Amino acid sequence: EVQLVESGGGLVQPGGSLRLSCAASGFTFNSYLMNWVRQAPGKGLEWVANIKQDGGEKYYVDSVKGRFTISRDNAKNSLYLQMNSLRAEDTAVYYCARAKAFLTTSYMVGYYFDYWGQGTLVTVSS
Amino acid sequence: EIQMTQSPSSLSASVGDRVTITCRASQSISSYLNWYQQKPGKVPKLLIYDASSLQSGVPSRFSGSGSGTDFTLTISSLQPEDFATYYCQQSYSTPWTFGQGTKVEIK
Repeated sequence: EVQLVESGGGLVQPGGSLRLSCAASGFTFNSYLMNWVRQAPGKGLEWVANIKQDGGEKYYVDSVKGRFTISRDNAKNSLYLQMNSLRAEDTAVYYCARAKAFLTTSYMVGYYFDYWGQGTLVTVSS
Repeated sequence: EIQMTQSPSSLSASVGDRVTITCRASQSISSYLNWYQQKPGKVPKLLIYDASSLQSGVPSRFSGSGSGTDFTLTISSLQPEDFATYYCQQSYSTPWTFGQGTKVEIK
């Protein structure tokens, strides 16, 4: 059974830092592109970052570039998100999500989120 | 960044109704379009990928269509368990983006 379990959330002051972790099990972790997706209270979903299988490529939403760093440890089946210079607008539930690749009708590779963790709440407030 | 715009933002419908939600991309995304359902306090659940492919285990009353910039999610006969918020999402280019969501409520 695929499981993704996030940890590391909590209350932090503006300008502070947090490191989120996601422990993966039940699948071959190093075969999948992994993601962080967040959801502010009462709001919609926002993709935050992803990292390729070998950790060599990483992508971020503009609002977190230079402040957040995604990383993975394939030996430990773990995904991380280092969050620095936190702002009130970063307050959200942060989900770890696995991206599964599929071939589109034009034989290109697309992705969808097929498994999600239960999320960890990050609250940025003084 | 590709903007995804859903309409309507919310709708009220009755059990048995046919419901259609639209999603428009700010530029062509071919068929790199997925649909998710989220119920309160729960994680999102994949319904449709590649614009029209039904995820395994999802009831056949859900269907998706479209390509390029315009997409639709259709629920052929709304069931009580379908009252939820629905999101479209593109994986054509990073940053991957979601629509703002469509909340389907009971009339």
